[in-house]
Amino acid sequence: GDSVTQMEGPVTLSEEAFLTINCTYTATGYPSLFWYVQYPGEGLQLLLKATKADDKGSNKGFEATYRKETTSFHLEKGSVQVSDSAVYFCALKTGGFKTIFGAGTRLFVKA
Amino acid sequence: NAGVTQTPKFQVLKTGQSMTLQCAQDMNHNSMYWYRQDPGMGLRLIYYSASEGTTDKGEVPNGYNVSRLNKREFSLRLESAAPSQTSVYFCASSLRDRNIQPQHFGDGTRLSIL
Repeated sequence: GDSVTQMEGPVTLSEEAFLTINCTYTATGYPSLFWYVQYPGEGLQLLLKATKADDKGSNKGFEATYRKETTSFHLEKGSVQVSDSAVYFCALKTGGFKTIFGAGTRLFVKA
Repeated sequence: NAGVTQTPKFQVLKTGQSMTLQCAQDMNHNSMYWYRQDPGMGLRLIYYSASEGTTDKGEVPNGYNVSRLNKREFSLRLESAAPSQTSVYFCASSLRDRNIQPQHFGDGTRLSIL
């Protein structure tokens, strides 16, 4: 079945460091790919999405490119801030009714 | 601009008690979902409703029931709560259940079963 695998956390970085959170997927058909972010005490919020191969999603300095050949959708940010500390979820959605979420990666950014 | 509203935010129950978690969305979305989030397990789908008048089981439906009351509201009921149901519950909605539509989440209900 469809699945999403993302790197285990926690990831701890200093402010202004470069961030990469790896995400790979397995899916039949042509999924859309998403990154969601969850801040403490809140629900998930859409961070960015890409709906077809080679699309790049971007938002708030975060980027991810839909790579069909490597079945990957890695999240990157050039310079993280303390306010980026959160849990990040990679997800995919195919033509059915379900969104498949990864297990989440917790990010801590130190000042 | 409320989005998805869940009530209550916190609840403590005793084993065997019943409870209904409420969810309402004001975005005119067709599809609604209930998830539970447990440490290290990501989000697991309990039930979903593709459109008003329909509901279907997700990955972990045992011990739960749902009602799609109207287009706005989707409730989750625990008939006889068990400690294994201690979790954070999230309701979500999406415009249509096509693969390009993201989900919009409420802030969750933190439920403890003693």
